[in-house]
Amino acid sequence: NAGVTQTPKFRILKIGQSMTLQCAQDMNHNYMYWYRQDPGMGLKLIYYSVGAGITDKGEVPNGYNVSRSTTEDFPLRLELAAPSQTSVYFCASSYSLGELFFGEGSRLTVL
Amino acid sequence: ELKVEQNPLFLSMQEGKNYTIYCNYSTTSDRLYWYRQDPGKSLESLFVLLSNGAVKQEGRLMASLDTKARLSTLHITAAVHDLSATYFCAALSGAGSYQLTFGKGTKLSVIP
Repeated sequence: NAGVTQTPKFRILKIGQSMTLQCAQDMNHNYMYWYRQDPGMGLKLIYYSVGAGITDKGEVPNGYNVSRSTTEDFPLRLELAAPSQTSVYFCASSYSLGELFFGEGSRLTVL
Repeated sequence: ELKVEQNPLFLSMQEGKNYTIYCNYSTTSDRLYWYRQDPGKSLESLFVLLSNGAVKQEGRLMASLDTKARLSTLHITAAVHDLSATYFCAALSGAGSYQLTFGKGTKLSVIP
């Protein structure tokens, strides 16, 4: 059982480049989330989705975009990468408002 | 806006001792979550507390929720080295919300 799978695990971007972080879950969860984690700051919600075709902004959405065309997939797009987007990104899913299941994380560095 | 505060942020404790981590949240929340994170790893769910007075226990960890005081506690009994990790609490941002707000985490080090 794979759970929540994130790719890539590591990536280095140059300022101004764009990329997509992939997230897939195989638990048929309706809710999916993207968080970023900066040292000593806990997790900040970027975007979330309560079902296919439905997405909404979290606390720190600027510079990011998401889509949810299927229940399983919830990619996060970074446009025009900036050093402030250097972080560890976690995708998570849940059934309704139950416990969140997290992916292994994607460590992004923007230089 | 919901704010979640944990204290202490750093905790060094000896094996065999007991201690409590506190999680305060600023506005009404329907449920409270506790997670564990090992260095360089993902987050693992420990507890989901759904109602006032809820208490859950797993091994040496016990979590409780007081919604009137807007306070959750994570109590550690007879700490062992394997409990060394960062512990996060998170609260749901009010009725009808789908957003979890996390505290900054408590880094626990259990020393012999």
